[in-house]
Amino acid sequence: AQRVTQPEKLLSVFKGAPVELKCNYSYSGSPELFWYVQYSRQRLQLLLRHISRESIKGFTADLNKGETSFHLKKPFAQEEDSAMYYCALDKAAGNKLTFGGGTRVLVKP
Amino acid sequence: ETGVTQSPTHLIKTRGQQVTLRCSSQSGHNTVSWYQQALGQGPQFIFQYYREEENGRGNFPPRFSGLQFPNYSSELNVNALELDDSALYLCASSTLGVFDYGYTFGSGTRLTVV
Repeated sequence: AQRVTQPEKLLSVFKGAPVELKCNYSYSGSPELFWYVQYSRQRLQLLLRHISRESIKGFTADLNKGETSFHLKKPFAQEEDSAMYYCALDKAAGNKLTFGGGTRVLVKP
Repeated sequence: ETGVTQSPTHLIKTRGQQVTLRCSSQSGHNTVSWYQQALGQGPQFIFQYYREEENGRGNFPPRFSGLQFPNYSSELNVNALELDDSALYLCASSTLGVFDYGYTFGSGTRLTVV
């Protein structure tokens, strides 16, 4: 069975500092990987997916199949980045997501 | 274009009771997936409905059941409620096989079992 692990429950950084959220997965096939974000009092929303290879709100994520990782990075954190972040995996485009436990990011002024 | 709406937003039930949660899918979507999110954890996949049939199920017992209607809205039913069923229940609508930015989550129903 597939599994997604986010080892950090909380990341606290200062505004302007780099931030990296770790995500490791286990799945024998070729999964689709995503990062979801949940801002305070808002619903879960897609931040980015590995297939699109784009940068959203300054965030990027690189899929490393050798290390089975999909870490999320931003070079200069902003206060509005404070939120819960979830890494998720979908196998075979089935629209059935396996989520990690989430990482809370707190960006201090 | 309307988003995903869930009802009710909150409810409290007693152990052993039954509960029905509702989800209206986004216009144009034909698939609804349900997730359970316990406090401090990520969402866990319960099951998915496509064209009124169950299309995949996570590791949840049979007392978790669902329905999808011709208009693609959906219900989640939980029988014989247990204290551990207390959680936020999320639904997400999508178009099966088309995973783009259209995989849309509702705001959830927070269920408390006492």
